[in-house]
Amino acid sequence: ILNVEQSPQSLHVQEGDSTNFTCSFPSSNFYALHWYRWETAKSPEALFVMTLNGDEKKKGRISATLNTKEGYSYLYIKGSQPEDSATYLCAFSSQGGSQGNLIFGKGTKLSVKP
Amino acid sequence: ETGVTQSPTHLIKTRGQQVTLRCSSQSGHNTVSWYQQALGQGPQFIFQYYREEENGRGNFPPRFSGLQFPNYSSELNVNALELDDSALYLCASSLITLSYNEQFFGPGTRLTVL
Repeated sequence: ILNVEQSPQSLHVQEGDSTNFTCSFPSSNFYALHWYRWETAKSPEALFVMTLNGDEKKKGRISATLNTKEGYSYLYIKGSQPEDSATYLCAFSSQGGSQGNLIFGKGTKLSVKP
Repeated sequence: ETGVTQSPTHLIKTRGQQVTLRCSSQSGHNTVSWYQQALGQGPQFIFQYYREEENGRGNFPPRFSGLQFPNYSSELNVNALELDDSALYLCASSLITLSYNEQFFGPGTRLTVL
């Protein structure tokens, strides 16, 4: 059974703090790792698709790194703002996996206090 | 927002009933995947439809079935509803040729089974 783990489960930070969370995934048959940002009552929004070991991607104050050999990815938020409050999901897809199958973690819920 | 829409937003049914959920995919996309997110869990893959046929399935019983229409919109049907079917149901659209299984999500339908 393929498992994706995210930590921490939730995080409370002050505005201006930088923060990071972890996604662990199976290191075999890796195809891609996806990060989504999900605000309550909205659609999950795609942040990054990461495919190569050592990949680093950046979008504004948010960046992510990927280590496929050891099976983890970090998401970093620099200078958190209240609008960053959301649940951050990572999802793994494997080579030869069922078509369309993204395997999700349970997410990290971030709350940023003004 | 992604351009993927789902209806209805909320739905209440009783055990044993049948339900149909609907999804309109993003313009230009030809593939729809469905996911179930139970309370406290990450989204779980139900199945994917491409060219009006099932193109991959997760670990869900046959009472979960689907359809895709020529305009690429899709339905998820669940028969003989059980209390454990209470969840948020997400659909995601993609283009089969998009790299690395990138999927774009709708806001979900919240199903409550009493």
